[in-house]
Formats: sequence, structure tokens, C-alpha cells
Amino acid sequence: EAGVVQSPRYKIIEKKQPVAFWCNPISGHNTLYWYRQNLGQGPELLIRYENEEAVDDSQLPKDRFSAERLKGVDSTLKIQPAELGDSAVYLCASSSGLVKFTDTQYFGPGTRLTVL
Amino acid sequence: AQTVTQSQPEMSVQEAETVTLSCTYDTSENNYYLFWYKQPPSRQMILVIRQEAYKQQNATENRFSVNFQKAAKSFSLKISDSQLGDTAMYFCALSSFFTGANSKLTFGKGITLSVRP
Repeated sequence: EAGVVQSPRYKIIEKKQPVAFWCNPISGHNTLYWYRQNLGQGPELLIRYENEEAVDDSQLPKDRFSAERLKGVDSTLKIQPAELGDSAVYLCASSSGLVKFTDTQYFGPGTRLTVL
Repeated sequence: AQTVTQSQPEMSVQEAETVTLSCTYDTSENNYYLFWYKQPPSRQMILVIRQEAYKQQNATENRFSVNFQKAAKSFSLKISDSQLGDTAMYFCALSSFFTGANSKLTFGKGITLSVRP
């Protein structure tokens, strides 16, 4: 069974440029998460989707970040414009969504973003 | 609010020896799950073990076991017979049921474990 797929794996951009990350969750997983992981820190949730609906986006900086999950499968996270402080690893995770808080989350390899 | 604290930033262990990684947490919920995740240098986060708060018996998975002390809000991970492939960052995480919000997974800052040959 394929795991969570993310692309690109690495991205280097200059500040004020836009950037987008893509995630394909495990087949059949209804819940999808985007996390940001700063260097030497644990992941922090940005947004969680239940199917197509964003049910928790309280930590998403909405002035520059946006996300979508069309058709309840793949998801895209966008930053526009990027700032120096956005340099981090962006992790996507998915879970079955069948049993809420006990679900195990499966993580993708992440996208390492460097903003110059 | 819920918090997870990992106060040891780094640890080192000799191959084949045993090491214990510490974690404390705080939550006002009665129902919750605790997890240890491993993140090798390739950065893919992998679940190591999980513990249900209502179960008194400590979870075990092969060489990995936990010491869950609910009253003390402590959740440590013991790795027996350490192997070079255990070298990674280890994150302690907590998931509890928030009314209306389903689930929220909170991670600690992680600990870097190095296994020496």
C-alpha cells in the first residue's frame, strides 16, 4: 500500500514569491492534515480536513496561507507571498477518519522550504 | 489546552544497550491517547507505539515499551537492545477528544537519539 505522497521534496524560493505544496493521502483516508515543522521542533498543525471540509484551520495564517482539498482526496497548501520565517518542513499526514481521536496519523516525507 | 514536554534535547546510547526517553504531558481531558513517533534523518515520521489512557497495562512493541504513569502525567519510551537504525528524532504526542473539534494531536519538541556502534 502506498504511503502519503508529497511533492516537491525540496523548494528554494526568494521572499515575496508564491509557493505551493501538494499532498496525496493514503487511499481511503478521509482525514488530511498539514503541519509545519520548524528546525529542532515538533510539528504544529496548520489545518485539518475531514473529506473536503476544513474543520480546524485556527493555526493557519490566513493572510498568506491557503489550502484546498478538492474532491476530498489530494490537497494543496499555498503560501503567497512567502516570508523568511516560512522556512520550515511542511508535513502532510492522513488518517482513516473512522475513529476520531484514536486514529493513527501517517505522515509523508515532507517538503523542505527555504526562503531566501 | 494540552501540552507535551520533552526536556531532554539529546541522548546517546551504545548499541545493544537500553535507553529511556522521557515525556510529560498535561491535559484536562479524561480520554486521550499518547504516541511516540520516530523521525529518522530522511524525515518520514513513523509511529513507534501508542498508549490508551484508560488502559493500565503498558504498551509494548517488540523492543519498544512505555512506562505510562497517569497520575504523574508521565509517558516514557524504553528502547531495548538499541540498534544503529534507532538513530532518529523521537517525538512524544498527545491526542485527546475536544468537544466539537474531534481530535488534536500535540507534539513535544522531540529528542535526538544517537546510537553509537
